[in-house]
Amino acid sequence: AQSVSQHNHHVILSEAASLELGCNYSYGGTVNLFWYVQYPGQHLQLLLKYFSGDPLVKGIKGFEAEFIKSKFSFNLRKPSVQWSDTAEYFCAVTISGGYNKLIFGAGTRLAVHP
Amino acid sequence: KAGVTQTPRYLIKTRGQQVTLSCSPISGHRSVSWYQQTPGQGLQFLFEYFSETQRNKGNFPGRFSGRQFSNSRSEMNVSTLELGDSALYLCASSPDRASEQFFGPGTRLTVL
Repeated sequence: AQSVSQHNHHVILSEAASLELGCNYSYGGTVNLFWYVQYPGQHLQLLLKYFSGDPLVKGIKGFEAEFIKSKFSFNLRKPSVQWSDTAEYFCAVTISGGYNKLIFGAGTRLAVHP
Repeated sequence: KAGVTQTPRYLIKTRGQQVTLSCSPISGHRSVSWYQQTPGQGLQFLFEYFSETQRNKGNFPGRFSGRQFSNSRSEMNVSTLELGDSALYLCASSPDRASEQFFGPGTRLTVL
């Protein structure tokens, strides 16, 4: 069965530090890749997505992610975090071909201290 | 455009009861998916509806069911509630079956 692994469950950073959250998936075929964010008290919001094309995708709020097919990875990055980035981040995949079944990782809780 | 709306936002039920949750997708979206979010199991896919037909089903017992109406609104039903059904139930909509999904605020179900 397909699965998604997020390496870090909890990350604590100071403002202005750089962020990289790891995400690996297990599926040999073509996938669509997503990062969602859940701010405290808010609903899941899409940060960025990859369907095809340039493997380096840019999302909202200065986030970007790189799809490395050979490593089955889709890591999320941000060069300088802010206190407002404190949230839970979820990596997710769907199998290409018309299926809307999102498979989520366990999530990473990010706390940014001023 | 208005986002995905879910009603009710909070529910408290007792074991053995049944519950119906409602989801209104973003206008023009035809696909609706449901997810369960719990601290222990994380986010798990329940099912997907498109054009009033269930297209995908997750690994949940038959007590969990759903349907979609001609206006794309969807309901999910859980019968014979168990304590373990306490969770945040999320609905997500998508224009079709190959695009990103947009999530609603969820319905928090507590089973006592």
